[in-house]
Amino acid sequence: KNEVEQSPQNLTAQEGEFITINCSYSVGISALHWLQQHPGGGIVSLFMLSSGKKKHGRLIATINIQEKHSSLHITASHPRDSAVYICAVGNTDKLIFGTGTRLQVFP
Amino acid sequence: EPEVTQTPSHQVTQMGQEVILRCVPISNHLYFYWYRQILGQKVEFLVSFYNNEISEKSEIFDDQFSVERPDGSNFTLKIRSTKLEDSAMYFCASSAVVGFPGEQFFGPGTRLTVL
Repeated sequence: KNEVEQSPQNLTAQEGEFITINCSYSVGISALHWLQQHPGGGIVSLFMLSSGKKKHGRLIATINIQEKHSSLHITASHPRDSAVYICAVGNTDKLIFGTGTRLQVFP
Repeated sequence: EPEVTQTPSHQVTQMGQEVILRCVPISNHLYFYWYRQILGQKVEFLVSFYNNEISEKSEIFDDQFSVERPDGSNFTLKIRSTKLEDSAMYFCASSAVVGFPGEQFFGPGTRLTVL
């Protein structure tokens, strides 16, 4: 069983739609990270959070520690948001990664 | 803006050869990591490095792998005798935060192809 599960695996949306990606984990964590991986392979850190909610532009990340669940929301989605979104949890000295959610936003 | 750099961007090697992947972390960062991503699979942790020693390593990081910070700026991953299954994208990352793991800044990756 994967320690970090993401859903959905694939997501398509029309420009402007509100998008939610979910992440559940089964291990103890120091923090949860949301990352974006571009088609060329590069990985960018979007959020690191250990409680509550964070917002950056059109992106919002929430975490519920008791339920071991986090969500990443994208408001007013745009084709440039098309990427793979990865949830990763900090556990001791390492990150444990989910399998990612591939998002495609069409104009 | 400071960034993590990696060289080369693509390395092709023959099975059994040694390869060294190089990374220059962000200059004031204290923690360094190597991850790999086999094509179509999720990113996997290899090793973390702090205060000139390995702080944690995964089962993947066997005796064929080693890491070094030879000169205070570079951080290298060596694979002594490459296997076909070592073909993957290798990412270096660094973090400034005390307490594990803080926000990590990733390099662009080195694509290793073992023939």
